[in-house]
Amino acid sequence: AQSVAQPEDQVNVAEGNPLTVKCTYSVSGNPYLFWYVQYPNRGLQFLLKYITGDNLVKGSYGFEAEFNKSQTSFHLKKPSALVSDSALYFCAVRDMSNTPLVFGKGTRLSVIA
Amino acid sequence: DGGITQSPKYLFRKEGQNVTLSCEQNLNHDAMYWYRQDPGQGLRLIYYSQIVNDFQKGDIAEGYSVSREKKESFPLTVTSAQKNPTAFYLCASSGGESAEAFFGQGTRLTVV
Repeated sequence: AQSVAQPEDQVNVAEGNPLTVKCTYSVSGNPYLFWYVQYPNRGLQFLLKYITGDNLVKGSYGFEAEFNKSQTSFHLKKPSALVSDSALYFCAVRDMSNTPLVFGKGTRLSVIA
Repeated sequence: DGGITQSPKYLFRKEGQNVTLSCEQNLNHDAMYWYRQDPGQGLRLIYYSQIVNDFQKGDIAEGYSVSREKKESFPLTVTSAQKNPTAFYLCASSGGESAEAFFGQGTRLTVV
């Protein structure tokens, strides 16, 4: 069975500082990994994905994530946080295309000016 | 303008009523999904469909029903058997060359 763990419910960071939101996963076979962002009372917006290839994936709004197979991790990063990055972030995994995504419980990011 | 449309945005249900949430997509995706979101619990899968006229239960299907008569549409009915239906419901689709799922804007259901 697939699973995702986001160990931090809340991450606080000062504007301009680097941010990291952690994600670890469990899946049989090769993982497809995703990050989504959600603003209040809205749907999920896709940020980036890892399917194959380079372990460092770049996505929307300056976000990137690093796939680490040995640590089964896919942490989300950004070099310089903005107040507008404050939102709820979800990591997700699937084991093959078109099977349902399995989500973590989400991490609330708060960027303080 | 391609995407997924959920309606209504807000829905109020009385005790004992069935209500149906609409989800329509014009992305030509084969697969569609319904998730339920509760505070602190992430997204939990209710039902999914990988092809027209076929669907499978997810992790929390009890008290819900779906149909997939058209590729574009995947409505969710919340029945009176669902004891705690107040939640934010999200519909998604996937297919083609993209592995990611695309989400609608959600329907917030409240029992009154």
